[in-house]
Amino acid sequence: LAKTTQPISMDSYEGQEVNITCSHNNIATNDYITWYQQFPSQGPRFIIQGYKTKVTNEVASLFIPADRKSSTLSLPRVSLSDTAVYYCLVGMNTGFQKLVFGTGTRLLVSP
Amino acid sequence: GAVVSQHPSWVICKSGTSVKIECRSLDFQATTMFWYRQFPKQSLMLMATSNEGSKATYEQGVEKDKFLINHASLTLSTLTVTSAHPEDSSFYICSASDRRGAHQETQYFGPGTRLLVL
Repeated sequence: LAKTTQPISMDSYEGQEVNITCSHNNIATNDYITWYQQFPSQGPRFIIQGYKTKVTNEVASLFIPADRKSSTLSLPRVSLSDTAVYYCLVGMNTGFQKLVFGTGTRLLVSP
Repeated sequence: GAVVSQHPSWVICKSGTSVKIECRSLDFQATTMFWYRQFPKQSLMLMATSNEGSKATYEQGVEKDKFLINHASLTLSTLTVTSAHPEDSSFYICSASDRRGAHQETQYFGPGTRLLVL
């Protein structure tokens, strides 16, 4: 299982773009990269998943360089409600996926 | 995305009693479900992998006789905390994998169950 490393915390202001980078140097060939968001006393919520290059959905973008040893979650124009903990995880794409959560990044968005 | 529910959302019990937590995949079938535990200000810790029709696989350090897992159908897994003690008080979260084709698998998490043992 690939270990991930993220910044413990980040601060931002409303309306700004936030980029959270995750390192996963030991990512395996079949591993996908998945990001989750967690609010206090709630289960993690799926944000985005990718394998390589760039993935975009209605809430975020995920940038993955060619060597796939890192990934960056980009949140455009954050709001106060984006204050949460963000987890980056890697895991195999077939069979059952055993996810090991790292520390996550605690994002605080201020007015 | 796929929806996973948990019941109850919170429970308070006396020390020594057993508590059952249900995890359901509402709009998809899940051959595999996972159970996590989360203490305040900490990350999620995987407790066990629940496989439909077979015994669960427990992570190192998790007592299988203490945390009984049953996955009787493709949409339901249960976690029973037996003879609960105050140190078992925690936030318990389940997840289930929604297989989309053969190349991608995403885990969806339930809302969690807050257990307080007095």
